[in-house]
Amino acid sequence: QVQLQESGPGLVRPSETLSLTCLVSGYSISNGYFWGWVRQPPGKGLEWIGSIYHSGSTYYNPSLKSRLTISVDTSKNRFSLTLSSVTAADTAVYYCAREDTGDPFDMWGQGTVVTVSS
Amino acid sequence: EIVLTQSPGTLSLSPGERATLSCRASQSVTNNYLAWYQQKPGQAPRLLIYVASSRATGIPDRISGSGSGTDFTLTISRLEPEDSAVYYCQQYVNSPHTFGQGTKLEIK
Repeated sequence: QVQLQESGPGLVRPSETLSLTCLVSGYSISNGYFWGWVRQPPGKGLEWIGSIYHSGSTYYNPSLKSRLTISVDTSKNRFSLTLSSVTAADTAVYYCAREDTGDPFDMWGQGTVVTVSS
Repeated sequence: EIVLTQSPGTLSLSPGERATLSCRASQSVTNNYLAWYQQKPGQAPRLLIYVASSRATGIPDRISGSGSGTDFTLTISRLEPEDSAVYYCQQYVNSPHTFGQGTKLEIK
């Protein structure tokens, strides 16, 4: 059974860098699929952040691209998100999930709350 | 970027009725790579429909998707109290894989 679990600090100071990790169990990232991030500000809808293939190829939302890095560590079967220069607008629940070419997100983590505040 | 517009914003229906949710794309969604998700409070989204009309694993047949090109519909028949949730459409053909703003379905 494939499971995804997000982890990272729940509070980040404005202008600092947000870093989250998604640990995948029950499936080897090296076997394929794209591994992505989606966020949801409080009381609002879903925003696709970006995805990474096991080979390292990435696709980013242009609205975040200048601040965003998604990386993968196949040896630890996990992938990570780094978002720099955060503001209050980056406060959200961050989900990691699995998608593929021609397939939408079929597996999701439970989500982790990140608050940007001083 | 493909913009998805969902309507209505909120739908309030009674158990046993049928819900019809709309998702309109700003440009054609190639290969009908359009998905529908259900999200309940405090939970991650759950995939219901992919390629516009295929049900995901474990989704009952009273939930169906239809449409092509720029106009898509999610239909939920014989509504149950557990169907109360927010429903999102998403296109996954062009990056960024945009979501609609959601339709809130309330069961009276």
